[in-house]
Amino acid sequence: RKEVEQDPGPFNVPEGATVAFNCTYSNSASQSFFWYRQDCRKEPKLLMSVYSSGNEDGRFTAQLNRASQYISLLIRDSKLSDSATYLCVVNALSGNTGKLIFGQGTTLQVKP
Amino acid sequence: GAGVSQSPSNKVTEKGKDVELRCDPISGHTALYWYRQRLGQGLEFLIYFQGNSAPDKSGLPSDRFSAERTGESVSTLTIQRTQQEDSAVYLCASSLGGQRLTQYFGPGTRLLVL
Repeated sequence: RKEVEQDPGPFNVPEGATVAFNCTYSNSASQSFFWYRQDCRKEPKLLMSVYSSGNEDGRFTAQLNRASQYISLLIRDSKLSDSATYLCVVNALSGNTGKLIFGQGTTLQVKP
Repeated sequence: GAGVSQSPSNKVTEKGKDVELRCDPISGHTALYWYRQRLGQGLEFLIYFQGNSAPDKSGLPSDRFSAERTGESVSTLTIQRTQQEDSAVYLCASSLGGQRLTQYFGPGTRLLVL
C-alpha cells in the first residue's frame, strides 16, 4: 500500500462547480498534512495546511479525518484558473520528521 | 524575498556523461530536499539534508546519484554516467527545518539524456 494515495482523475468540471478530492494515508501517527498545487510544467506550491479542526481559505476547505486516515479538499465555485494537479502531502515519521511524503496528485480540469 | 533557485534550468546531455545540478535554498532554511519527477508522474524523494545531521539518502535510486550540501547553503546533485531513464525534472525544496515542515520548491532543472 502506498503511504499516500490519491485518485489521479482527471476530474473534469464546469466553471462554478463544487469539486472534492480525497486522499488516504497509511501512517496513523502522521501529524502534519498539506495540500500543494502543481501547474503544468511548474513546481509544486503550497495551497494550504490541513488542521485537525478543518480550515478554510476562501473557496478552498480542507478537512482531516484521523480515525479514517483521510484528508479532503473541497473547491467551491471552480474557476478556470483552478485547473492544476493537487498533491496531498503527509509528514513521514520513520526516522526524520522533516520528511514529507507526496501523493501522486489529482488532476482537475475546469471547463468554460 | 528570494525563493529557491536552481541551475541550470535545462540540461541536455549524452548518455554516459556526468551532470551536476545546483540548488540555492531560501536564506535561513536549514532543511533541503531533492526530488525527481518524471513526465506525467508524481514526486520521487531522493535525498534530504537537515542542518549538520547525516543526510537521509534513502531515496537515491542508485550509486550513480550523489548530493552534497555546503553548511546550510548551496547543494549540488550529481548524476554520474547518465542513462536515458534519468531524464526528468529535478526539483529542489527547502524548509525552515525541525517541525517547520512547509517546503518551498525551486523551478526545477529539466534534464534530458540522449
